Amino acid sequence: DAGITQSPRHKVTETGTPVTLRCHQTENHRYMYWYRQDPGHGLRLIHYSYGVKDTDKGEVSDGYSVSRSKTEDFLLTLESATSSQTSVYFCAIKTGGYEQYFGPGTRLTVT
Amino acid sequence: GENVEQHPSTLSVQEGDSAVIKCTYSDSASNYFPWYKQELGKGPQLIIDIRSNVGEKKDQRIAVTLNKTAKHFSLHITETQPEDSAVYFCAATSSGGGADGLTFGKGTHLIIQP
Repeated sequence: DAGITQSPRHKVTETGTPVTLRCHQTENHRYMYWYRQDPGHGLRLIHYSYGVKDTDKGEVSDGYSVSRSKTEDFLLTLESATSSQTSVYFCAIKTGGYEQYFGPGTRLTVT
Repeated sequence: GENVEQHPSTLSVQEGDSAVIKCTYSDSASNYFPWYKQELGKGPQLIIDIRSNVGEKKDQRIAVTLNKTAKHFSLHITETQPEDSAVYFCAATSSGGGADGLTFGKGTHLIIQP
């Protein structure tokens, strides 16, 4: 998994609670990404980062925020989780070229 | 923004036969086209990619072709084996060397029949 870990790997939470997912990389790559995967939709980009404290929105950013205070960590926060945010969340990094490599994913269930 | 269409959604082939998955994209500025394989419960795994300055790329039993004029690209798997069974995703981006993320197709479930 290109030195990418995600935590937690599974989480069940209640509607309205805040949730933070963590992506950690060991190789100091500049670009990091959060995607969500839902049946029938493939993977869709939520937010991405191009450096410490430098982030931007993706296709489906509503209801999500991100932070990157260190090169190795990229956090995804759901301020108030909703059932529509039940999904599998993948972090990815881009290496020095064009390639993106994905982490193992976090399965989030909002009840 | 970019839109990527992928078909078929399900493909069943006999072991040893070839499989072809096709994708079309909408943004003529797209310059990088990767393919991912995803097994159940795992993250997508990059298996092959192609840049817009190349028409074809091959890696053992896997090949990708790109037609920029028609804005479509395809994944070809020859001599299929049971371990090729998985979901395959195509993707595209106009920022291959930059920060922007990938736009994905919705996936093809490839089933290899013994």
